[in-house]
Amino acid sequence: GENVEQHPSTLSVQEGDSAVIKCTYSDSASNYFPWYKQELGKRPQLIIDIRSNVGEKKDQRIAVTLNKTAKHFSLHITETQPEDSAVYFCAASIPPFTGGGNKLTFGTGTQLKVEL
Amino acid sequence: NAGVTQTPKFQVLKTGQSMTLQCAQDMNHEYMSWYRQDPGMGLRLIHYSVGAGITDQGEVPNGYNVSRSTTEDFPLRLLSAAPSQTSVYFCASSYAGQGYEQYFGPGTRLTVT
Repeated sequence: GENVEQHPSTLSVQEGDSAVIKCTYSDSASNYFPWYKQELGKRPQLIIDIRSNVGEKKDQRIAVTLNKTAKHFSLHITETQPEDSAVYFCAASIPPFTGGGNKLTFGTGTQLKVEL
Repeated sequence: NAGVTQTPKFQVLKTGQSMTLQCAQDMNHEYMSWYRQDPGMGLRLIHYSVGAGITDQGEVPNGYNVSRSTTEDFPLRLLSAAPSQTSVYFCASSYAGQGYEQYFGPGTRLTVT
């Protein structure tokens, strides 16, 4: 099955700096890659996603890049703010074989701390 | 819309007890799933369903049962609780097909003593 590795496990940056979180996946059939943010004690929430026919996607201060050849994708957060402090999870999904399905394999998470 | 709801929020069980974690969604989503979240291990898929009457195993299904009799509800049953099942459990739902956003419930924190 799919295996997703995520690095680093913790990341500390100064407010205003950029943060980069990297993930690799094992199954070359994976073609959908979402990123989730989870604040302490809360549920995970989707912040951005990318499909394998796109190399980069941006949404204001966050961007995701995908390198299909190397099987890795990254989350970039620019101009970090204290409210960006949270755990971030990457995930990967292979196409469903039959009638629907949206199975995600998650990375182990990155605790991002933005310091004032 | 209430979105995805889960009950209870917290539960303490003794080893060997059984219980059912409830999950419901009001978005008419075909796909529903259960994850467990343990420190340092991310979210691991337990079971999932692509529609009423259809369920399948995920990555860590042992010790858990599910059924899907309606589109709205997807309960998770612990048959005989073990300390290794101490975790936070999240239910999620989405439209069927790849690439739709999965919406998570608020989670259930389960402790097995």
